[in-house]
Amino acid sequence: DQQVKQNSPSLSVQEGRISILNCDYTNSMFDYFLWYKKYPAEGPTFLISISSIKDKNEDGRFTVFLNKSAKHLSLHIVPSQPGDSAVYFCAASAGGGSNYKLTFGKGTLLTVNP
Amino acid sequence: ETGVTQSPTHLIKTRGQQVTLRCSSQSGHNTVSWYQQALGQGPQFIFQYYREEENGRGNFPPRFSGLQFPNYSSELNVNALELDDSALYLCASSLKAASIEAFFGQGTRLTVV
Repeated sequence: DQQVKQNSPSLSVQEGRISILNCDYTNSMFDYFLWYKKYPAEGPTFLISISSIKDKNEDGRFTVFLNKSAKHLSLHIVPSQPGDSAVYFCAASAGGGSNYKLTFGKGTLLTVNP
Repeated sequence: ETGVTQSPTHLIKTRGQQVTLRCSSQSGHNTVSWYQQALGQGPQFIFQYYREEENGRGNFPPRFSGLQFPNYSSELNVNALELDDSALYLCASSLKAASIEAFFGQGTRLTVV
């Protein structure tokens, strides 16, 4: 039973355009959602998080939107840069704001073309 | 301030053997979590240690065990290795158990043959 789903294995966008990565979840107990970026041969790097009581969180070029009724969140990257090319993981926590027992999706490979 | 470091980076073991993976947490971090990432999958939670005590466990059998030391470094031990244990093992540390942000190491690639 996959509680966090990233249905697009890959996404390709042009430099300067918007990248939108999507994530769906099934567990209503999740209270925090996170996005991680992973380059080959490196560990995942934390990007941005959002509490379930919010619907938007912004940090520079990265914005995460949460639609609780649809159990859906998305990560927007504007403008996209070639250095953003990586695997992006959506993760969720039911730990009251802690990183305890993060549940990850399978990831989406983003390629930003110059 | 050093980041999270894991050793070794790569390891090949034979089915039935035992393996120990090591993790040095980021300076000042007292919480360490271990994850298993199989090929094509997202990381899966194994367990978490907080101040040398196991703080919770995912859906992994008892042959997966761990330790956290007074300096908050950690070990993951796997006994009776199976072929399906082949994966990338990731360690993540956080400033405290209540932190939302966890910092991951580069992982140990374990291959069981």
